Amino acid sequence: QVQLQESGPGLVKPSETLSLTCAVSGYSISSGYYWGWIRQPPGKGLEWIGSIYHSGSTYYNPSLKSRVTISVDTSKNQFSLKLSSVTAADTAVYYCARGGVGATPFDYWGQGTLVTVSS
Amino acid sequence: EIVLTQSPGTLSLSPGERATLSCRASQSVISSYLAWYQQKPGQAPRLLIYGASSRATGIPDRFSGSGSGTDFTLTISRLEPEDFAVYYCQQYGSSPPLTFGGGTKVEIK
Repeated sequence: QVQLQESGPGLVKPSETLSLTCAVSGYSISSGYYWGWIRQPPGKGLEWIGSIYHSGSTYYNPSLKSRVTISVDTSKNQFSLKLSSVTAADTAVYYCARGGVGATPFDYWGQGTLVTVSS
Repeated sequence: EIVLTQSPGTLSLSPGERATLSCRASQSVISSYLAWYQQKPGQAPRLLIYGASSRATGIPDRFSGSGSGTDFTLTISRLEPEDFAVYYCQQYGSSPPLTFGGGTKVEIK
């Protein structure tokens, strides 16, 4: 059974960098699939942030591209998100998921982690 | 970027009734790479349908998807109490950005 688990600070100050990690179990990232980040502001819809392949190939949402970096660590079977210069508008539940790019849907999701941007 | 518009915003129905949810794309979705997700409060989205009409593993057959091009539909043949939730469509064609619809809430009438 594929499982994903997000981790990272729940509170980030404005203008700082949000950093999250997604640990994957039950499947080796090196075996394939893209791995992505999606966020959901409180009471709102879903927004794709970006995705990465085990080779390091990345795709980013153009609306966030200038602030986003997604990286992968195959030795630890995990991938990470960095979002710089955050504002209150970046407050959201952040999900990691398998799939998305490469003509595959998001078939496995983490439970999500709430990140609040506030001083 | 493909914009997905879901309608209605809210659907008020009773258990046992049929639910029909619409997802319209601003341009044709390549190879019908259209998925539907169910989200309950406090939970992550769950994949229901992919490829416009294929049910994901473990999804009951009361859920069905149809459509192609720019018009897609999710049908729940007979609503069970656990089906009251928010439903999102998403296109995952070969060219990002990936986009989601704004969601349809199915609530108990």
